[in-house]
Parts: sequence; C-alpha cells; structure tokens
Amino acid sequence: DVKVTQSSRYLVKRTGEKVFLECVQDMDHENMFWYRQDPGLGLRLIYFSYDVKMKEKGDIPEGYSVSREKKERFSLILESASTNQTSMYLCASENSAHEQYFGPGTRLTVT
Amino acid sequence: AQTVTQSQPEMSVQEAETVTLSCTYDTSESDYYLFWYKQPPSRQMILVIRQEAYKQQNATENRFSVNFQKAAKSFSLKISDSQLGDAAMYFCAYRRPYYGGSQGNLIFGKGTKLSVKP
Repeated sequence: DVKVTQSSRYLVKRTGEKVFLECVQDMDHENMFWYRQDPGLGLRLIYFSYDVKMKEKGDIPEGYSVSREKKERFSLILESASTNQTSMYLCASENSAHEQYFGPGTRLTVT
Repeated sequence: AQTVTQSQPEMSVQEAETVTLSCTYDTSESDYYLFWYKQPPSRQMILVIRQEAYKQQNATENRFSVNFQKAAKSFSLKISDSQLGDAAMYFCAYRRPYYGGSQGNLIFGKGTKLSVKP
C-alpha cells in the first residue's frame, strides 16, 4: 500500500516564525510535490522535486523554500511565516504512471 | 498554458442513482494524462481514475467511469449506484507526460462538491 505521511495535521505558528513541514513517502518515488489548498482556489503547486537535491518552482513559490536531501523526504520551509500563508498544505508523491498519492495534509494557521 | 475547468461547483445525487461530473480542459498537447481525484471531508486526496490521452477506450474502475472526448477536450466522470461514501469534493486534473522542469505538475480544476442524499 502506498503511504505518504506529513509531520503534523494541525499547526499554529506566529507571524515571523520559521516553519518546517515534513513529508515522507515509502514508495521510492522520484517525484514529490507540495501544494496549498484554499477555498475557491483549488490546489496550487508551490514546489516540486524530481530527484534528490533537485527542485523546481511551481506556480506560487514566493515565501517558500524546499529541501530534498533524501529520496523519501521532501520538506517545505516557510522562512518567515505570514498570515497569508494560513492554508491547508498537501504533499504528494508520484509514481511512474504519473499517479499522485497525497498525504493527509497539514492545516497551518499563522497568527 | 493548460487550464482545467469544472463548471459545476456543487452537485447532488440520490443514493443508488447515477451522477455525472463535468470537466473541460484546454491544451495544445496531443499526449497527456487526465485524472479524477476525490477528497472526502477527512481531507485526504484519493486517486479515483486515470485516462491516457492516446487511448480511445474510456477508463473504468468499478462504479466509476469516464467519458473522454479528446476533440472536445472533455473528461466527465460518471458515478453509478451512488453511495453515501461517495460524498466528497471531486477534482479533475491534467498532467503532461514530462519529468522535471516547469512542465512536471498536475493542473487541477477548482472542484465539484458532491452530496449524496439517503
């Protein structure tokens, strides 16, 4: 069974804090993705990675960075959290058939 | 740029009935993949069905089937014998068959919220 896990289901942080969101997959997939999901806007791609240490910007990378030091782990970093980054964050891992498997999501609130 | 449009923000179906969710997309590519994903209230996104553009045969997964019309750029999802557990947000998604670079992501529609009435 495919499994993608995210470090937290709910997170509350203060403006200006550095925030780390972790995602781990156990399928040996090369491609991993970070999306944010907002009501009325659907899912928007922040960053993705197609191999260890390889990353590409998505549609809305501003204010975010990522790290992929090991194949199974893809981290999303908010360098200085702001209230407009309050959102649901979804991580996904993709197999060779282009099927994406999602984690349970992290609901981040920045106050 | 590719776009995906789901024109029905909300749909409702009676239990055991059939419902069809619409999706249209815009692309100049000839080879691509289309997907339907389901997101129940628990929030975990689940893959429902996958279609490869070069295949003419419509994909089917148990009670879920698609009507893929490549020329019309239409990709609708039919749910037969609807069950209470089918209630969820459904997202249509498009993907180009490339790895890496700026082409390597899924493009999602804004979703259709499906309610199932007992």
